[in-house]
Amino acid sequence: EAGVTQFPSHSVIEKGQTVTLRCDPISGHDNLYWYRRVMGKEIKFLLHFVKESKQDESGMPNNRFLAERTGGTYSTLKVQPAELEDSGVYFCASSPVSGQSSGWGGGRQFFGPGTRLTVL
Amino acid sequence: ELKVEQNPLFLSMQEGKNYTIYCNYSTTSDRLYWYRQDPGKSLESLFVLLSNGAVKQEGRLMASLDTKARLSTLHITAAVHDLSATYFCAALTSGTYKYIFGTGTRLKVLA
Repeated sequence: EAGVTQFPSHSVIEKGQTVTLRCDPISGHDNLYWYRRVMGKEIKFLLHFVKESKQDESGMPNNRFLAERTGGTYSTLKVQPAELEDSGVYFCASSPVSGQSSGWGGGRQFFGPGTRLTVL
Repeated sequence: ELKVEQNPLFLSMQEGKNYTIYCNYSTTSDRLYWYRQDPGKSLESLFVLLSNGAVKQEGRLMASLDTKARLSTLHITAAVHDLSATYFCAALTSGTYKYIFGTGTRLKVLA
């Protein structure tokens, strides 16, 4: 079974430019999450999709960030325009419908390798 | 608002020694996860703890949960170099799917 994939693995852009990150979850996983880790700090929740619907976007920093999940499959996270403080590693995770992760109480998340974003 | 504090941030230990990583959370949580991350890799699920007194063990790692103290621990027994990684705990905000992570503990096991 293929895991969660993210593209690109690294992105270096200049302040003011636009970047789009992509996440392909595990096939069949309805839940998709975006997280960000700024250097040395905690992994912060950004938002949660259930299929194509945004369930919780309380962690999105500001309106420069736009996440979409058209058709309930892959998701994109666009940063426009990028600022220096947007640098960090962006992780995507997916999980099946609650109750389908036997022994894990539902909600076991499978993480992608992350996209390292550097804004210069 | 749920907050998760993890300590220590860095841990350098000799092979064969024991140590414990602590994870405190501020409000009621439905479940507590532990993850491992190797450099440049994705987070790997280690354990989920669902109830007070829960204990899970895998090899040299043992995780426990005390919901009354709002504390989870990850105990490392007789550390080996292969355990070198960053370990994260994450608590689930009650009634949601929102996971709050600790800052991570960067573990280095010296030969």
